[in-house]
Amino acid sequence: EDQVTQSPEALRLQEGESSSLNCSYTVSGLRGLFWYRQDPGKGPEFLFTLYSAGEEKEKERLKATLTKKESFLHITAPKPEDSATYLCAVSYNDYKLSFGAGTTVTVRA
Amino acid sequence: SQTIHQWPATLVQPVGSPLSLECTVEGTSNPNLYWYRQAAGRGLQLLFYSVGIGQISSEVPQNLSASRPQDRQFILSSKKLLLSDSGFYLCAWSSGGGNTIYFGEGSWLTVV
Repeated sequence: EDQVTQSPEALRLQEGESSSLNCSYTVSGLRGLFWYRQDPGKGPEFLFTLYSAGEEKEKERLKATLTKKESFLHITAPKPEDSATYLCAVSYNDYKLSFGAGTTVTVRA
Repeated sequence: SQTIHQWPATLVQPVGSPLSLECTVEGTSNPNLYWYRQAAGRGLQLLFYSVGIGQISSEVPQNLSASRPQDRQFILSSKKLLLSDSGFYLCAWSSGGGNTIYFGEGSWLTVV
């Protein structure tokens, strides 16, 4: 049973073209929702943790928001260096994260 | 600050050979430790986690095993590799249950 679904699978943007990535989840008793950035051949790099609906976090051109059923990662005026795969994960007990398959973002100059 | 080291970065092994991937964490005590595997186009799959020395929980039945001989050392092993063991393996740590999990750089394993 899929607990975390990310969409779209791939996103091609022009530099400066803002967009949003979606992460929907079906777990009950959410303990936290995590966003990671992963570059090719590298381990995921932590970006944000969100704990409750209505919470927002920002870092440079990235902004993450959370509702009761989904999270959005907004990329404002992206640059080519924002090209990466963005992973969403949810924590539903003390030790485990359930990951989505990721959204691969390509930003063209 | 905390750092996590994982090695080797890449590994090409024949079918039936043994495997040992090692991971160490610095700058923290009694971390939770994890081994994940990432297949192309799929999410990360949790293989093992450990909350203390000698305490290993397995998430999926498979050809692999894990050990934690020291507080900040985590080892992924296999006695006989299968072709299906090929993939990208990631070690990770957290400071406690429910907290953010931080990943190492990963190890590419190709079984030939």
